[in-house]
Amino acid sequence: EAQVTQNPRYLITVTGKKLTVTCSQNMNHEYMSWYRQDPGLGLRQIYYSMNVEVTDKGDVPEGYKVSRKEKRNFPLILESPSPNQTSLYFCASSLLGEQFFGPGTRLTVL
Amino acid sequence: GQNIDQPTEMTATEGAIVQINCTYQTSGFNGLFWYQQHAGEAPTFLSYNVLDGLEEKGRFSSFLSRSKGYSYLLLKELQMKDSASYLCVQSSNNNDMRFGAGTRLTVKP
Repeated sequence: EAQVTQNPRYLITVTGKKLTVTCSQNMNHEYMSWYRQDPGLGLRQIYYSMNVEVTDKGDVPEGYKVSRKEKRNFPLILESPSPNQTSLYFCASSLLGEQFFGPGTRLTVL
Repeated sequence: GQNIDQPTEMTATEGAIVQINCTYQTSGFNGLFWYQQHAGEAPTFLSYNVLDGLEEKGRFSSFLSRSKGYSYLLLKELQMKDSASYLCVQSSNNNDMRFGAGTRLTVKP
C-alpha cells in the first residue's frame, strides 16, 4: 500500500530535550516536505526537499533541522524544543504536484 | 495565512451547492491545489489547476483565473460527509507550497 508514515504519532516532551520525528514514504517520490498546523493559521511549510541531499527552508524553519540522506526518509529534528513548537506536524511527499500526507504527529512541549 | 485568502467558515444544506472562493498572490504562481481535511486527519487531494478554466471531477469542480489570482471550489449535491475544512494551496515556481488557513464547511440536514 502506497503511504507516508510518521513516528511517533503523539509526543509530550520538555523544553530543551532533543527529539526527532521520522517520516518515510514508499512511493519513490523525490519531493518531501514538513508542515506544522496551528489553529487559525493553516499549514505552514517548515522545510522541503527536492531530492536526496537537497533541502530548502520553507516559511517557518527556525528551530528545526532536516536531513535527506536517502530518498524514502525525511526526518524532522528539534535540537532544543520550546513550548512555541507545540503543534500538529505533517510530513508529505509528491511526484508531480499532488501531495500525499502522513497521519500527523501531535507534539506538546512543556 | 500567507497571502492566501479564503473564508473562515461556511454553512450549507444537504443536497445544495456551495462555492468556496480563494484569492492568492499572482507573482511566482505555478499551480493551485484544493485539499479536504477532516478534523484530526491528514489533508487529502481534491484538485489541481494550472491553466485557466474549470476542472470537473464528479461532485467537485475547481476553477482558476490566473490573471485575477482567483480560484473557487464548487461542491454539488452536498452530503453530510462533506463537512470538513477545505484548503486552498498555491505552489510557486521555487517549489514551495503556501496554504490558506482553510474554510470550515458545515453541512446541515
